[in-house]
Amino acid sequence: KQEVTQIPAALSVPEGENLVLNCSFTDSAIYNLQWFRQDPGKGLTSLLLIQSSQREQTSGRLNASLDKSSGRSTLYIAASQPGDSATYLCAVRGSNYKLTFGKGTLLTVNP
Amino acid sequence: EAQVTQNPRYLITVTGKKLTVTCSQNMNHEYMSWYRQDPGLGLRQIYYSMNVEVTDKGDVPEGYKVSRKEKRNFPLILESPSPNQTSLYFCASSLIEGATDTQYFGPGTRLTVL
Repeated sequence: KQEVTQIPAALSVPEGENLVLNCSFTDSAIYNLQWFRQDPGKGLTSLLLIQSSQREQTSGRLNASLDKSSGRSTLYIAASQPGDSATYLCAVRGSNYKLTFGKGTLLTVNP
Repeated sequence: EAQVTQNPRYLITVTGKKLTVTCSQNMNHEYMSWYRQDPGLGLRQIYYSMNVEVTDKGDVPEGYKVSRKEKRNFPLILESPSPNQTSLYFCASSLIEGATDTQYFGPGTRLTVL
């Protein structure tokens, strides 16, 4: 059974700092890995998707990497802003198309 | 506008009273799924569907039913709700085609079972 772990569970940083969120998964037989953002009381918004054959994806100030063999992914956020404050979720889609989520990292960016 | 809609958004009910939460998407997606989100437990998949008339259990299917008679709709049915089904529920859809496999989530349904 696939298990997805996100570290840290919570992170507080001053505005402007670069930061890294970590995600690990136990079964490397994956279809893709996705990073989502969730604002309080809201649904999830897709940020980046990395196919199993890819090493990284970039969108604006966000960069996600994938090391399938070691079961790890990182989400790098450059020059953080207060508007980046949210919960960030990592999810892995297995070869059976089932999507398994981590519990998320609660990010607070202080002005 | 591409979207996933859920109804109702908020529901308070009593134990044992059957209810249905509707989910509809307008993007012609094959894949649809239901999740529940609970504090400390994260998002857990209840059921998913790869296409019309094809459904599979997720991690926590007990106490729930689904159906996929049309591509756009994927209702979640609680035949006899219990208090432990109080949760925030999300419906999602996607194409599952390589780079376009972006998950679109509905706004959520907050269910309270008394």
